[in-house]
Parts: sequence; structure tokens; C-alpha cells
Amino acid sequence: QKEVEQNSGPLSVPEGAIASLNCTYSDRGSQSFFWYRQYSGKSPELIMSIYSNGDKEDGRFTAQLNKASQYVSLLIRDSQPSDSATYLCAVLEGGGSYIPTFGRGTSLIVHP
Amino acid sequence: ETGVTQTPRHLVMGMTNKKSLKCEQHLGHNAMYWYKQSAKKPLELMFVYNFKEQTENNSVPSRFSPECPNSSHLFLHLHTLQPEDSALYLCASSQGGPVEETQYFGPGTRLLVL
Repeated sequence: QKEVEQNSGPLSVPEGAIASLNCTYSDRGSQSFFWYRQYSGKSPELIMSIYSNGDKEDGRFTAQLNKASQYVSLLIRDSQPSDSATYLCAVLEGGGSYIPTFGRGTSLIVHP
Repeated sequence: ETGVTQTPRHLVMGMTNKKSLKCEQHLGHNAMYWYKQSAKKPLELMFVYNFKEQTENNSVPSRFSPECPNSSHLFLHLHTLQPEDSALYLCASSQGGPVEETQYFGPGTRLLVL
């Protein structure tokens, strides 16, 4: 049973701070990792994908992957109230699989 | 706009009704998915089609019946639903290959079963 674990939160941070969202996964053979953002009442949208160990930066977002420890994180710098949403971690195993396993999501609240 | 559309956006139905949800993707993808998202619960994968063939059925009750006539269209036929089936139903598509498996979600159909 493949599992993807996220703290459901809510994680509350002040505007301008760094928000750190974490995700652990059980399948050591996982190869692809995704962070989706879902605003209340809306559908998920991809914000970052990462495939190799280390950091990947895109604007205010940085994804960090550590396959040895089986965790992936998302850092949001200079957090804005508009970043308030639920962040879903998704993990894809290797070997040609195309069906991801989603975590239950972490609710982030950025307060002014 | 993700290139995945869903109709209707909202649906209210009685337990004896029959209705269908429609999803269409304009991205040239090969795989299409139905997910159920209930309040305060994680995304639940229901069905997966790849090249029109059903490849996944996550123990979904038979009152939900999927149909995939081609790689661009996906339907979810509903009959004799229960109030606990009220949820947001999301359609998604992806390449269906081994790399770059980003999922593109439609806006969802919010279903209320009375």
C-alpha cells in the first residue's frame, strides 16, 4: 500500500514569512514528485514538480527532495495572503507508472 | 483554463435519478481520471482510462459507471446514489506515459444527492 503523508494543518504563517510544507512517502521506488495547490472550491493546479535529489527553485517556490529519507518539501518565500490554500503532495513510482498517489493535503493560511 | 472541461458544474439529484457527468480534454492526452473529493478528505481515485482502456477501478460501487468513448471524452454515469456520494467530482488528464506525468484537472462537478 503506497502512502503519502502530509500534516493536514492548518499551517498559519504571517505575511512575508517562509512557509514550509512537508510530505513523506512510503514507496522507496518513487521517481516523480509533484506539488499541487488547491484553492477552496477550486480544482488542484500544479505548481512544482521535482525528479532529482536536491532543490528546485521557481520564483518564490522551492521544492526539496531527499530520496534517502523519503521526503519532499515545498518552501514558499515571502508568503502572501493569496498563497492561502491547500497544498497537495503527489508521488509517482517508477517503472512506467503514470497514476500518482496523493497526500491528503496541508492547509496553509497566510495572515496579514 | 487547464484544457480540461467538465459539465455540469453543479448538480442536485435525488436518490432515484440517473444523471451523467461529462469531461472533455483538449490537450492530446492519453490518460483520463475520475476523482472524488469529499469535505475534509483526501482525493480518492475512482477510475483511470489509458488509450480508452480502463486500467484502474478502485473498488468503486456499481452505482458509478464510467465510459470512455475516445481519448478526449470521459463520462461518469450515476444512478441510485446515496447522500454520502455528495462531493466534488474531478476529472483529470495526463500524458499516460512514464515521464512528466503532470495531472491537469477540470473545474469539477459539485454534486449534491438529496
